[in-house]
Amino acid sequence: EAQVTQNPRYLITVTGKKLTVTCSQNMNHEYMSWYRQDPGLGLRQIYYSMNVEVTDKGDVPEGYKVSRKEKRNFPLILESPSPNQTSLYFCASKGSSANYGYTFGSGTRLTVV
Amino acid sequence: DQQVKQNSPSLSVQEGRISILNCDYTNSMFDYFLWYKKYPAEGPTFLISISSIKDKNEDGRFTVFLNKSAKHLSLHIVPSQPGDSAVYFCAASGFNNNDMRFGAGTRLTVKP
Repeated sequence: EAQVTQNPRYLITVTGKKLTVTCSQNMNHEYMSWYRQDPGLGLRQIYYSMNVEVTDKGDVPEGYKVSRKEKRNFPLILESPSPNQTSLYFCASKGSSANYGYTFGSGTRLTVV
Repeated sequence: DQQVKQNSPSLSVQEGRISILNCDYTNSMFDYFLWYKKYPAEGPTFLISISSIKDKNEDGRFTVFLNKSAKHLSLHIVPSQPGDSAVYFCAASGFNNNDMRFGAGTRLTVKP
């Protein structure tokens, strides 16, 4: 089944403790992206990647890092999480056609206390 | 700076009637506009898209209309079904879709 898999689904952590949210896709998509969803703000793009070793900042990249060492994986790294990073995070991927949107994962709900 | 706006947080319609969800944007450089549907505890799923060179795209019960002069698009669902109850996000992007911007979403409730 074609899908984007992100882990964990739920995570509670403490301020300053480094964490990684993993994302993997099995559709051989070139493009991958991370979004966060917050009430009243919709989905905001954190980082995106156009292919292996090619990444760029989205609208809200501060406090996040990403890497794309393999085509299928696009982990999101929070080096020193803070409470304002408490949010619902989505990883997404898409092929090269401009007509079709991203395929999203099921989301990771992160709480930073 | 929200470049894509959905000004109605919620909409309630009766089963069988038409649902109209609206979206406004500010960036005239957007090339593609998309609608996503999101159920609770799931990621958004792609519903329908339209290129900036068109003014209408239809897929079954779903039709998207684009008015470039007004920087406005709408999603029509006819007839509405209870299973359509979800949050609908409007999105817009440049040609390559990488920098996709989303609106805040509209929660649609279709009553039986």
